[in-house]
Amino acid sequence: AQSVTQPDIHITVSEGASLELRCNYSYGATPYLFWYVQSPGQGLQLLLKYFSGDTLVQGIKGFEAEFKRSQSSFNLRKPSVHWSDAAEYFCAVGGGGGGADGLTFGKGTHLIIQP
Amino acid sequence: ETGVTQSPTHLIKTRGQQVTLRCSSQSGHNTVSWYQQALGQGPQFIFQYYREEENGRGNFPPRFSGLQFPNYSSELNVNALELDDSALYLCASSNRDYQETQYFGPGTRLLVL
Repeated sequence: AQSVTQPDIHITVSEGASLELRCNYSYGATPYLFWYVQSPGQGLQLLLKYFSGDTLVQGIKGFEAEFKRSQSSFNLRKPSVHWSDAAEYFCAVGGGGGGADGLTFGKGTHLIIQP
Repeated sequence: ETGVTQSPTHLIKTRGQQVTLRCSSQSGHNTVSWYQQALGQGPQFIFQYYREEENGRGNFPPRFSGLQFPNYSSELNVNALELDDSALYLCASSNRDYQETQYFGPGTRLLVL
């Protein structure tokens, strides 16, 4: 069965500091990996995705993520956070187009930005 | 290009009632997936409709059912509502033929009293 672990429930970062959010996955085949962001009371916005190829992927809002097959990880990074980055971040794994099993999400990491 | 839309935005029901939630998929997409997001949790996959047929299902009971229409819009129906059904219900559209990414709507917040 596929699963996603986001070990950090909350992370507090000062504005302008760098950020890394951790994600570990379990998936039987070649994974399709995603990071989504959710602001309070809103739906999910896609930040970036990994399907194949270059293991370092660039996304919107200055985010990037690195796929490491040997560590079953897909960590999200940003070199300098802005107050507007405060939100809930979800890592997800699944097949192409979602696959018949849909996407499996982690429980999320709540990002707090300190002024 | 129109994004994924959902209606209604909020809904209050009482235990035992039935509810229907609606989702319009993004232009060019033929697949709709439904997710339930309880407070403080990540979304959980309910089921997926591809070209008007249920294509996959998560660990949800049969009282959760759905439809997909020829224009690829979709409905989620929940019968015999329980208090634990209170959640944000998200739909996501994609094109499975091209293994495309799922794009999510804003969700419907359901409260069961």
